Amino acid sequence: GDSVIQMQGQVTLSENDFLFINCTYSTTGYPTLFWYVQYSGEGPQLLLQVTTANNKGSSRGFEATYDKGTTSFHLQKTSVQEIDSAVYYCAMSSMPNYNVLYFGSGTKLTVEP
Amino acid sequence: ETAVFQTPNYHVTQVGNEVSFNCKQTLGHDTMYWYKQDSKKLLKIMFSYNNKQLIVNETVPRRFSPQSSDKAHLNLRIKSVEPEDSAVYLCASSFGGGVAETLYFGSGTRLTVL
Repeated sequence: GDSVIQMQGQVTLSENDFLFINCTYSTTGYPTLFWYVQYSGEGPQLLLQVTTANNKGSSRGFEATYDKGTTSFHLQKTSVQEIDSAVYYCAMSSMPNYNVLYFGSGTKLTVEP
Repeated sequence: ETAVFQTPNYHVTQVGNEVSFNCKQTLGHDTMYWYKQDSKKLLKIMFSYNNKQLIVNETVPRRFSPQSSDKAHLNLRIKSVEPEDSAVYLCASSFGGGVAETLYFGSGTRLTVL
C-alpha cells in the first residue's frame, strides 16, 4: 500500500544552522508530495507542494526537492530561525485515491537562540 | 486566518461515555476530513466526506461515526470511548475538485479518556 517514511523524529539546531529533512515514499500510483508544518497549538498547514513535473518547490525560505529515482523527497533551509521551531510532516497523495493524504511521522524541529 | 472551526478545544471523559466533536468550514470546500493525531504526533486519516458522501473510511473502529448535515459541517461521534481514543482529532477541508489539493486544518480537539 501507499506509505511515507520519515526517519528523523527530532532535530535540534542553533539559529542560522542548515536544516535538512528527508522522507521516502512508496506507491503504485502517481504521487504528489507535500510538506506541512504544525506550530504548537495549531493544526498542520501547507508549507510546500512538490510536483513531479517541477521537482522543486520553495516557500518562506524553505526549499523542497524530489528524486524520483530514489523515491525520496527532502526539505531544507539554509539558515533556520527560532520561529521555525515546529513539527514538519512530509505527505503524499497518489492516484487514484488522491483525496487521501498520507503523512510521515513528523520531525520536531527545535531551534535554539 | 482560521477558516476551519472545531469545538470543543478539549474534552475529558471516562471510559464508556459517548462524545461528539463539531467541525465547520467557511471556505466553501466540497470535501472534509477527520484525522487522528496520537501522542507521538502520528497523523492518520479516519474519514473523508465529499458533498455529504463518505468516500474514504480507513479502518477505524465501529464506535466512530462521522455525521454531516451539509458540506460545511462534519461532526465526529464516538460511542463508548476507550483509553486508546485519547488523541487530538483534527478536522480538515479541501476544495474537492481535483488532484492533490491543499488541506486546511482546524486547530483540533484534544480528547482525554480517563
